[in-house]
Amino acid sequence: DIQMTQSPSSLSASVGDRVTITCRASQTISNYLNWYQQKPGKAPKLLIYAASSLQSGVPSRFSGSGSGTDFTLTINSLQPEDFATYYCQQTYNSPLTFGQGTRLEIK
Amino acid sequence: EVQLVESGGGLVQPGGSLRLSCAASGFTFSSYGLHWVRQAPGKGLEYVSAISSNGVTTYYTNSVKGRFSISRDNSKNTMFLQMGSLRVEDTAVYYCARDFAAAAVTKFDYWGQGALVTVSS
Repeated sequence: DIQMTQSPSSLSASVGDRVTITCRASQTISNYLNWYQQKPGKAPKLLIYAASSLQSGVPSRFSGSGSGTDFTLTINSLQPEDFATYYCQQTYNSPLTFGQGTRLEIK
Repeated sequence: EVQLVESGGGLVQPGGSLRLSCAASGFTFSSYGLHWVRQAPGKGLEYVSAISSNGVTTYYTNSVKGRFSISRDNSKNTMFLQMGSLRVEDTAVYYCARDFAAAAVTKFDYWGQGALVTVSS
C-alpha cells in the first residue's frame, strides 16, 4: 500500500495568514493526488484534484502543487470558515489511501 | 442536485452483522463508481471498499476482506455494504462517496452524510 504522510499534524494560524500543508507519498504517484477539507461532524469536501486542479465552487484562495512524491496545499488569506482538518489522498492505485490529516486551528 | 444518503447504521455486538445502504439521486447512478470510506471516532479517513459502475469490479481493503461485501442495484440507485464478523475496531462513521473518474482523474466529488456503526458488547 502507498503511505501518505502529512505535515504538520496540526497548525495554528490567524485570519488573513497564508498557510501551507505538505503531503508526501511513499512512492511516486505522478499527479494522482486530491485534497479534502473536513469540518467537525461533516463529510469531507473535495478541494483540489489531480494535484493542482481546483474543484468547481471552491474559492481561489485554495491551491495545490506538486508531482511525484511531494505535494502542497496552500491557503491564501485564511478565512474563518477555513479552520478545519485537511486530508490528502492518493488515487494512483488501490487502496486509495489518505494522509493522517492536518488540523488547522485558530491562533 | 446530487445526493447520497446512507442508512442502516446502529449498535451491533462483536461478531454480528449489519447492512449499510447508500441511496443516490440527482445523477445517472449506473455511470459512476462508488466507494465506502470510514472514520473511527476522533481518527482520520480510512478507505474501505469500492465498486465499479456496472458492479462487476470490487475492491476491499485488507482489514475487511472476507468479512465485508459491497454490491449495488442500479435499478434502485442504491449501493450496499454487507458487514459481517464485526469487530470493535470496525466502529466508525461510514461514508459513501461518488467517484468522478474521467480522463485518468479519480476524485470523490460527492459524499453522503455518514452512518455511524458501533460495535460493542
